Amino acid sequence: EVQLVESGGGLVQPGRSLKLSCAASGFTFSNYYMAWVRQAPKKGLEWVATISTSGSRTYYPDSVKGRFTISRDNAKSSLYLQMNSLKSEDTATYYCARQVYPRYFDYWGQGVMVTVSS
Amino acid sequence: EIVLTQSPTTMAASPGEKVTITCRASSSVSYMYWYQQMSDASPKLWIYDTSKLASGVPDRFSGSGSGTSYSLTINTMEAEDAATYYCQQCCSTPLTFGSGTKLEIK
Repeated sequence: EVQLVESGGGLVQPGRSLKLSCAASGFTFSNYYMAWVRQAPKKGLEWVATISTSGSRTYYPDSVKGRFTISRDNAKSSLYLQMNSLKSEDTATYYCARQVYPRYFDYWGQGVMVTVSS
Repeated sequence: EIVLTQSPTTMAASPGEKVTITCRASSSVSYMYWYQQMSDASPKLWIYDTSKLASGVPDRFSGSGSGTSYSLTINTMEAEDAATYYCQQCCSTPLTFGSGTKLEIK
């Protein structure tokens, strides 16, 4: 059974940093692109970042480019999202997702809440 | 950026009723993807490559469309189908989602 378990969320002040983690199991992690997708409270879904199987290629929308960094450790079947210079508009539930690149996300984690507020 | 506009934003359907949710893209896309999100739960892949049902999705669901207009149809509404449905396009960067259609049971 595919499982994706996020951790690392919480309350953080504007301008500070936070790192999210996602532990994957139930599939060969190194064979899949992985991604982060977020959902602001009562809002829709927004793609945040994608990483290739080896980690050599990463992709971001303009809204987070230069502030967020996605990375992975295939030996640990883990995905990460380093978030710097956080803004109030980054407040959201962040989902780790397995991506059938570039097409769709076939498995999602339960999500982790990040609140950016002073 | 390709903007996906879903309609309606919200709707209610009676059990047994036929339901159609539309997703219009601001530019032509090759395929459309749909996700179901129940209240306080993670999204689930529902339809991929425009018309293929994800594993476990009842066959009363179907997807269709091309170019800039796509749809998700429920042949006969059931109470368990009440959820928010999102469309998503993959292949023009950035990847984008529609704003969602909240479907309720009457």
